[in-house]
Amino acid sequence: EVQLLESGGGLVQPGGSLRLSCAASGFTFSSYAMSWVRQAPGKGLEWVSSISGSGGSAYYADSVKGRFTVSRDNSKNTLSLQMNSLRAEDTAVYYCAKLRSMDVVAATNYWGQGTLVTVSS
Amino acid sequence: DIQMSQSPSSLSASVGDRVTVTCRASQGISNYLAWYQQKPGKVPKLLIYAASTLQSGVPSRFSGSGSGTDFTLTISSLQPEDVATYYCQNYNSAPSITFGQGTRLEIK
Repeated sequence: EVQLLESGGGLVQPGGSLRLSCAASGFTFSSYAMSWVRQAPGKGLEWVSSISGSGGSAYYADSVKGRFTVSRDNSKNTLSLQMNSLRAEDTAVYYCAKLRSMDVVAATNYWGQGTLVTVSS
Repeated sequence: DIQMSQSPSSLSASVGDRVTVTCRASQGISNYLAWYQQKPGKVPKLLIYAASTLQSGVPSRFSGSGSGTDFTLTISSLQPEDVATYYCQNYNSAPSITFGQGTRLEIK
């Protein structure tokens, strides 16, 4: 059974940093691309970042480019999202998501339960 | 960036009705289109990928069609458990991966 367990969310002040982690199990982690998708309270889904199965290719939404960094450790089956220079508009539930293939050009077939990030003073 | 426009933004239908949700891309995306269902308080669930391929375990009353810029999600006979918000997603190319704004479906 595929399991994705996010951690690291919480309350942070504007301009601060936070690191999210996602522990994956139930599949061959290195064979699949992964993504972060967020959902602001009461709003729709927003793609944040994707990384290929090998970790060699990473992509970001314009709204987070230059501030967020995605990475993965295939030896530990872990996906991470380093978030710097956080803004109020980054407040959202952040979902770790598994894609259907090693390439990022794929649909998402599994989602974690999400971790809430609140940016506020 | 590729923009995805869904319509309607909300709809109300009766049990047993045929329901259609439309998604339009601002430029051609071939068939790199997925549909997700998100029930209140739950995580999204993949229904359809590659515009028309039903994800394993999804009821056959759900179907998808389209290619290029215009896509459709159809529920052939609406059931009470289908109350949810439905999102389309373009995954044609990174970093232009975008979701539609969502369609909230309610039972009349």
